[in-house]
Amino acid sequence: AQKITQTQPGMFVQEKEAVTLDCTYDTSDQSYGLFWYKQPSSGEMIFLIYQGSYDEQNATEGRYSLNFQKARKSANLVISASQLGDSAMYFCAMREGGGGADGLTFGKGTHLIIQP
Amino acid sequence: KAGVTQTPRYLIKTRGQQVTLSCSPISGHRSVSWYQQTPGQGLQFLFEYFSETQRNKGNFPGRFSGRQFSNSRSEMNVSTLELGDSALYLCASSLTPSGGSSYNEQFFGPGTRLTVL
Repeated sequence: AQKITQTQPGMFVQEKEAVTLDCTYDTSDQSYGLFWYKQPSSGEMIFLIYQGSYDEQNATEGRYSLNFQKARKSANLVISASQLGDSAMYFCAMREGGGGADGLTFGKGTHLIIQP
Repeated sequence: KAGVTQTPRYLIKTRGQQVTLSCSPISGHRSVSWYQQTPGQGLQFLFEYFSETQRNKGNFPGRFSGRQFSNSRSEMNVSTLELGDSALYLCASSLTPSGGSSYNEQFFGPGTRLTVL
C-alpha cells in the first residue's frame, strides 16, 4: 500500500483563489513528520511547511497552512490567495519514527497550474 | 549563505558506463541524503550519510553507492548504468540526521539530470 497518497494529479485554479491540495498517509508509527515541498520546472525542491505528529496546532507559514486531521491520516496543504508563481508540482512527504532513518517518503505529486 | 550545490547539473552517459555525482551541503550541515526522481517511480530515497557514515539505504541495487567526506561533501556512484537509471538525482542536506517527528528541514539542491543512452 502507498504510504503517501495524493489523489489530484493536476489542478487548474484561478489566480487569487484559495487552493487545497490533498494528502493522505499511512503509518503505524506514533512519531512521524509530514512535509510539503514545491518543485518548479527548474527541478529544485522547495520546503513549504512541516507538521509533526505530536503537534496539536495546524502549521502555518505565510500563505501556506496545513490542515492536519490525525484520525483521518490527512495532511492537506492550503494555499491562500494563489499567485501565478505558485504554478508548480507539489509533493507531500512523510518521515516515520523508529530507530532507523529511511529518509522522506514522497507522494506522486499534484501539478498545480494557476490561471490569470 | 550558499545553498546546496550539485555537480554536474546535466550528464549524458551510455549503458554500461559508470557515473559519479557530487553534492556540497550547506555550510555546517552534516547530513546528506540522496533521492532519485523518475516520471514512473516518482521520488525515491537512495541513502543518507551523517558524519561519513551511511545511516540507511533505500531499496536500490548495489550498483548505487555513495560516500561522505570529512567536510560533509558527498558523492554517489552508479556503476554499470542502465537505461532505467535516467533520472533527476537530488541531494538534500540538513543539520542533523532524519528521525521521526523531530523537525529536521532538508534543503534540496537543484539536482543532476542523468540521461543514459
